[in-house]
Amino acid sequence: TQLLEQSPQFLSIQEGENLTVYCNSSSVFSSLQWYRQEPGEGPVLLVTVVTGGEVKKLKRLTFQFGDARKDSSLHITAAQPGDTGLYLCAGARSGNQFYFGTGTSLTVIP
Amino acid sequence: DAGITQSPRHKVTETGTPVTLRCHQTENHRYMYWYRQDPGHGLRLIHYSYGVKDTDKGEVSDGYSVSRSKTEDFLLTLESATSSQTSVYFCASRDRATDTQYFGPGTRLTVL
Repeated sequence: TQLLEQSPQFLSIQEGENLTVYCNSSSVFSSLQWYRQEPGEGPVLLVTVVTGGEVKKLKRLTFQFGDARKDSSLHITAAQPGDTGLYLCAGARSGNQFYFGTGTSLTVIP
Repeated sequence: DAGITQSPRHKVTETGTPVTLRCHQTENHRYMYWYRQDPGHGLRLIHYSYGVKDTDKGEVSDGYSVSRSKTEDFLLTLESATSSQTSVYFCASRDRATDTQYFGPGTRLTVL
């Protein structure tokens, strides 16, 4: 059983559209991270959020940590083909172990 | 980017044979991790290390063992490979100051 569930699992949209990916759990995390992974490569860290309610922006990407620190969302504005990839959330509990979400595969069609 | 390498990059083996995967990092990070990635499961932690000779189990550790005799190397061993261990294995080292995990390129293991 995965501690973190992501939705949707697959997402295919047209260039220029907006989208939101959700990462949900019934457990509390001390911090939550978002990674992007491209085919044949390892995940690359995008952002870390540590405070409940925290919002961070990275160009067209907006990340939010839920007030109760159990969930997070990733919003992409005006998606571009370069945003295509697998998006993974990961939560830290004990401080040394990270629990990854099930992943959201995003395809942005030109 | 941190220098994380994994070897081999691809391996095909038969059920019951031992397999060792190697992870090498050049950043002197204290923490290192082994994950497996399977469709619909994201990444799942197998084992991790918090220093030389210091290791602990993750959520899917059954059938796997690890060793860390030097800061830069973290080995993952499948003592007797099974078909359920067919997967892509990723190693990561962690910069404790920023909590950033740097991942290697992965090893695709097929157990026939």
